Amino acid sequence: QVQLVQSGAEVRKPGASVKVSCKTSGYSFSEHGIHWVRQAPGQRPEWMGWIKTDDGKTKQSERFQDRLTITRDTSARTAYMELSSLRSDDTAVYYCARDGLLLHPYYPDYWGRGTLVTVSS
Amino acid sequence: DIQMTQSPSSLSASVGDRVTITCRANETVSSYLNWFQQRPGEAPKLLIYGAAHLQSEVPPRFRGSGAGTVFTLTISSLQPEDFAVFYCQQIYDPPFTFGGGTKVELK
Repeated sequence: QVQLVQSGAEVRKPGASVKVSCKTSGYSFSEHGIHWVRQAPGQRPEWMGWIKTDDGKTKQSERFQDRLTITRDTSARTAYMELSSLRSDDTAVYYCARDGLLLHPYYPDYWGRGTLVTVSS
Repeated sequence: DIQMTQSPSSLSASVGDRVTITCRANETVSSYLNWFQQRPGEAPKLLIYGAAHLQSEVPPRFRGSGAGTVFTLTISSLQPEDFAVFYCQQIYDPPFTFGGGTKVELK
């Protein structure tokens, strides 16, 4: 069965960076894109970006400017999300989600359980 | 960014009721509209994609419709497991924004 297993909760100080991993199984990794979505407490989900897993091309929200880096390791079947220059309002649960397609984002059909990132001094 | 607005923000209903949630975009998103259900402490779950396509293993009491700027999610007969928050998401133009959510509560 399709599974996306995310790395564990993280606590960071303001200004630091965090890297969250999303290890996949149960399907052909390079045949589906991967989204990253975050959700602050009590807020709506916020789409961060998407990676085309065969060639590593990305689409990202300009809201994160150059703070966000989305990568993948096809041999490890794993996608990564790194966010730098963390601020307190980056505190959220970060989700990875598989897309039903590869060529362009369309529908995030399987989701990881989320990784809580807490930014606090 | 495309703004997505859902109505109502919350509603109270009973098991067996028919429920309709509306999602409006401030510009066209064609049919690139997804609906999700989220229970407390869980990840969002995809219900409908492409405005009207039922995701695999989702019960047929969930129905999506609409195109352009106005979309609806209808639950034909509310079941106990359906009490949750529902979100729409446009996936037409990045950033792929979500609506503010509709909380469906037990009356």
